[in-house]
This record gives sequence, C-alpha cells and structure tokens, in this order.
Amino acid sequence: DAKTTQPNSMESNEEEPVHLPCNHSTISGTDYIHWYRQLPSQGPEYVIHGLTSNVNNRMASLAIAEDRKSSTLILHRATLRDAAVYYCILRDRGGGSNYKLTFGKGTLLTVNP
Amino acid sequence: DADVTQTPRNRITKTGKRIMLECSQTKGHDRMYWYRQDPGLGLQLIYYSFDVKDINKGEISDGYSVSRQAQAKFSLSLESAIPNQTALYFCAMPGQFPTDTQYFGPGTRLTVL
Repeated sequence: DAKTTQPNSMESNEEEPVHLPCNHSTISGTDYIHWYRQLPSQGPEYVIHGLTSNVNNRMASLAIAEDRKSSTLILHRATLRDAAVYYCILRDRGGGSNYKLTFGKGTLLTVNP
Repeated sequence: DADVTQTPRNRITKTGKRIMLECSQTKGHDRMYWYRQDPGLGLQLIYYSFDVKDINKGEISDGYSVSRQAQAKFSLSLESAIPNQTALYFCAMPGQFPTDTQYFGPGTRLTVL
C-alpha cells in the first residue's frame, strides 16, 4: 500500500484557518486521497476525499498538488470541536467497492481558545 | 438508533479468557470491518468481510477470529486473551454518503489483565 507522511502534531488558534499537510510521493494513478478525523474517545469519521481536483464540503476543503504527491486539508475556521487526530489515507480505486483503509499515526491538531 | 452498535462498550478480562466482541449494523451493508487501536497509534485492520461468505485477514489477525453470523452481525473473538490485546476495538461499515467511505462504530475498550 502506498504510504503517507504527516506531521505528528500541529497547533492552531480558534477561528483561524488550519492547513494540515500530507505527503504521498508514491501515490499511484488509481489512489484516492481520503481524510478522516478522530475526536477524543470516538471512532474515526470521514472528512473529505478527492482524486485530482480540489474538493470542498461543509467540513473542510482538500487541496491536491498537481503532481498528486501531496495534499492539504484546510479547515477554514478552526473551532475547539475540531481538535482531533487527522488521518490522511490513500485508497486504491482499483479495488472497486471492496477495499480497506490503512491508517497511519495521523496529525494531532490542538486548537487554542 | 445508531447505524453501528458495538457490545460491550467496555470490558475487563483476565489472561487466558475467551472473549467475544459483537458488532451489528442496521443498513444492510455487505462489507464490515474490525480494527484495533493502541494508545497514541492509528487503527490497524484485524479482519474484514465483503459478504457473509467472504472473510479476509487484515494486518494483525493473529490471536483473533471472526464470525459473520448474518449480514448484519460481525463478531470478533479472542480465543485466549493476552495483555497486549488491551486496546480500543472499532467495527466499521461503508458510509452512506459518499458511499466509498467507512463509518465507524463507537468502539469497545478492552482491558486484559
């Protein structure tokens, strides 16, 4: 499975934007880039995913580099509820609907009031 | 009602005991997954099932077994629990939207003394 590299931790202030980076230099053409987050004492939850183009949803934006070797999850205005571990995961599109996710250690985001 | 339920939510057991963790889902999905999370680490896949008759080993299946009794139920067993199986255990199934994501249950905290 292709690997991802994320910083162990990042810190932000409330109501400021947060840019969470992820490197995936060995990404293949069939890999989707998925982001999940895990709030304290909860299971992971889906945040956003993309293939080549930048994506936006109600939770976040995903900016994907043109060569697809890196991506950035953008939280436009961090809130205290966004404090969590954020996981960047590559998912092989070639597996169709039958696939598994491989989690790394993720980035622990701390949001200061 | 929650889409995925896990029982028990917390369990303390002793070394050598057999224990079963249960997962039930109400959405009729074919695919179900069991993950384990050790403190400070990401999730590791134990077993996954693409339908009732299709069960696959994940990254760390040694010491575990599973049973897919019905489409809605996927049970994880520790035949002879050992202390290093102390962890958080999460069950997952496909997300509703987008469909190529995963939705995680609330988790079971297992302590093996």
